[in-house]
Amino acid sequence: DSGVTQTPKHLITATGQRVTLRCSPRSGDLSVYWYQQSLDQGLQFLIQYYNGEERAKGNILERFSAQQFPDLHSELNLSSLELGDSALYFCASSGSIEAQETQYFGPGTRLLVL
Amino acid sequence: AQKITQTQPGMFVQEKEAVTLDCTYDTSDQSYGLFWYKQPSSGEMIFLIYQGSYDEQNATEGRYSLNFQKARKSANLVISASQLGDSAMYFCAMREVLGNNDMRFGAGTRLTVKP
Repeated sequence: DSGVTQTPKHLITATGQRVTLRCSPRSGDLSVYWYQQSLDQGLQFLIQYYNGEERAKGNILERFSAQQFPDLHSELNLSSLELGDSALYFCASSGSIEAQETQYFGPGTRLLVL
Repeated sequence: AQKITQTQPGMFVQEKEAVTLDCTYDTSDQSYGLFWYKQPSSGEMIFLIYQGSYDEQNATEGRYSLNFQKARKSANLVISASQLGDSAMYFCAMREVLGNNDMRFGAGTRLTVKP
């Protein structure tokens, strides 16, 4: 158990809908990262927050947004869902933003868009 | 742009034997971190081992060791005394100190341990 929690574990929804994925980092970790894992794209970095502020953006679509709250939990919002958004979404956390800091991953949310 | 290459889509190893999973990377930065993660069929990503670009010694964590060859830009994972529970996908990843703060992953290697 990494200490990172994600809810829900599974999500099935329809095209055009909007969903929210939630992540609680390890106790004491200030940095949260979101990743998408799909069969065709592999593991891709989406976005990073550090202590409530956005720090880095990767291959995140405009239909996707995220935020980190004062209690450090984070939410990833996916809207106008398409079939291709079906993937495993991971949240990871680390204590700082340093490159050598290990990121610990949550169990993931498996999203299926029908 | 940094790139991680894992050339072995699948590997087989006999239980109790050692196996090496290959990883090469491409970066123009001098300072970076290299990571290996394990993803069993249940889906979670489990951190295994870390190597910093300035570390002079190869990293070791229990049965895992990292064969780091900086000049060749390779960071191969060695698993000794393989166990059935080692069957999983293994991902190599890199993060540059001066980069975008993102961690880039290779395509992964599926390891199967045979009894």
